[in-house]
Amino acid sequence: NAGVTQTPKFQVLKTGQSMTLQCAQDMNHEYMSWYRQDPGMGLRLIHYSVGAGITDQGEVPNGYNVSRSTTEDFPLRLLSAAPSQTSVYFCASSYRQGRAEAFFGQGTRLTVV
Amino acid sequence: AQTVTQSQPEMSVQEAETVTLSCTYDTSESDYYLFWYKQPPSRQMILVIRQEAYKQQNATENRFSVNFQKAAKSFSLKISDSQLGDAAMYFCAYRSGSYNTDKLIFGTGTRLQVFP
Repeated sequence: NAGVTQTPKFQVLKTGQSMTLQCAQDMNHEYMSWYRQDPGMGLRLIHYSVGAGITDQGEVPNGYNVSRSTTEDFPLRLLSAAPSQTSVYFCASSYRQGRAEAFFGQGTRLTVV
Repeated sequence: AQTVTQSQPEMSVQEAETVTLSCTYDTSESDYYLFWYKQPPSRQMILVIRQEAYKQQNATENRFSVNFQKAAKSFSLKISDSQLGDAAMYFCAYRSGSYNTDKLIFGTGTRLQVFP
């Protein structure tokens, strides 16, 4: 099983550019989420989805857009990249149970110059 | 809103010794779950251990155990017989028991160094 596949692993963007971070899982998980990790701040939730067609905002949603048209895929779109969006991004998925382990992708290191 | 606090930015331990990482949380919910995740230099997030709030018994996974104090809202991780491979960032995380949300709330992490 591939688990959670996140692409790309590294990306450099210029301010104002847009891009999409891809996330796919093959475990038939209902829940999928995007986090960003910044030094000294842990992981913060950007957006999440509890099922296909359902998304909601997390703690730091501004500047990001998501959609979930299938159970497997949950792309994260940066609409107009800003230096403040320089971070490591993680996609995660899990079953629809509070105790369920969240499986994480390998992360994307994004630099906005 | 729920919060998770890890007050130890860095900890160090000698190989084969025991170390305890602290975590406190705040919530008004009665149904929730707590996790410890490990992040080695590879950046991969790895589940170490989980605890259901409704269980009084502390969770144990091999060399890893927790001290769950529900009234004090404390959830510390004890690593026994520390190994060089335990060196990593450790994150404490909280998750609501509600089915309508998928919010894992993380602490800021503790960097653990293991010395030979």
